[in-house]
Amino acid sequence: DTEVTQTPKHLVMGMTNKKSLKCEQHMGHRAMYWYKQKAKKPPELMFVYSYEKLSINESVPSRFSPECPNSSLLNLHLHALQPEDSALYLCASSQGKQLLISAFFGQGTRLTVV
Amino acid sequence: AQKVTQAQTEISVVEKEDVTLDCVYETRDTTYYLFWYKQPPSGELVFLIRRNSFDEQNEISGRYSWNFQKSTSSFNFTITASQVVDSAVYFCALSVAGAGSYQLTFGKGTKLSVIP
Repeated sequence: DTEVTQTPKHLVMGMTNKKSLKCEQHMGHRAMYWYKQKAKKPPELMFVYSYEKLSINESVPSRFSPECPNSSLLNLHLHALQPEDSALYLCASSQGKQLLISAFFGQGTRLTVV
Repeated sequence: AQKVTQAQTEISVVEKEDVTLDCVYETRDTTYYLFWYKQPPSGELVFLIRRNSFDEQNEISGRYSWNFQKSTSSFNFTITASQVVDSAVYFCALSVAGAGSYQLTFGKGTKLSVIP
């Protein structure tokens, strides 16, 4: 099983809403990542969790709040987003954060903020 | 700092033609990994290949082949006898050892359109 599952696939939310994106993997990977991808751009790293601990926050605004409740799950809590936050949000996992030997990505959540 | 350049923004080919996607990278590290990912319209980034900096052997997987040349810092990707299902955006990416090894540095991507 080399699958990273993300839910929901699509999400439309208002600027005052609170929503969460979910990511799950059962490959025993201990590093999990959130990326943001705007249209026609490459993915940009947002957060890295290593062994369920947040190790990297790439200067992401506080309206994005990650959570890693266990080694298989990664959430991204959204609150008071702006229309410019509309993007494809990709989750990824890898065996460890060193060298990023291989990373598997989910299908992403297409988020639209209205 | 690391950098990946994919000079080709968009390529269109007719089905069954061969096509090569270029990737040039920059890093001062001696230990690094290079990747190619495919992103179809559905959005998922599909892992295609990983190559480490100490292995310059070229690789072939079905219709796909990769040419890694450290002398020119290039890691090019060739699709032989292209098919419509190959239409996607292809990203080349780099990961280095040491500080910052946890992230992939992506190129800007090449959009490949295969026309029937």
